[in-house]
Amino acid sequence: SQQGEEDPQALSIQEGENATMNCSYKTSINNLQWYRQNSGRGLVHLILIRSNEREKHSGRLRVTLDTSKKSSSLLITASRAADTASYFCATDAVRRNAGGTSYGKLTFGQGTILTVHP
Amino acid sequence: DGGITQSPKYLFRKEGQNVTLSCEQNLNHDAMYWYRQDPGQGLRLIYYSQIVNDFQKGDIAEGYSVSREKKESFPLTVTSAQKNPTAFYLCASSGSGHAPYNEQFFGPGTRLTVL
Repeated sequence: SQQGEEDPQALSIQEGENATMNCSYKTSINNLQWYRQNSGRGLVHLILIRSNEREKHSGRLRVTLDTSKKSSSLLITASRAADTASYFCATDAVRRNAGGTSYGKLTFGQGTILTVHP
Repeated sequence: DGGITQSPKYLFRKEGQNVTLSCEQNLNHDAMYWYRQDPGQGLRLIYYSQIVNDFQKGDIAEGYSVSREKKESFPLTVTSAQKNPTAFYLCASSGSGHAPYNEQFFGPGTRLTVL
């Protein structure tokens, strides 16, 4: 099953408004990442927040992480029409192999489709 | 110009045929990944490789095969055993499969359609 689940599935706003997307996950994580995907294209990394961080900023992006609730949120402030895209959270879960080494592979949520109207 | 490339962009296949999707990166990354994306869905991991000559199955490996003979290349073969291969395939790479804090860099994707 998917580690990350996002809410809402779709979000439609006007330019200038803020957009908030939420992500919930199930197991312990090393970090949580947010990616953006324009229609029919590859994903682009936006921001990474480590499990020992609570908030991180990058330009108009603000990400929070609450490990006690196993949830994260992505806030895009002062949205623009060019922000129209799908946004995915991805979790790098804590895993250990037989040799005791931890390593990460990402598990993606279903995504939030954001539409920003001019 | 560093990056990760995939070819072809669009691929059509008849039922019963094997096809190979190309993925090349010049980022000097150790780890490479293949994902499948279905319409309106997130990404599901098919195979991943943390180092040359080594790879592991992801969550949906049945009907797929890979090789990692060179650091730069991680081709994916969609075999006739894959029952529903029509999808958008994305390749990604990251600096190291063993470091927990690496972002993944994605290629532009290949859209495979089975006729």
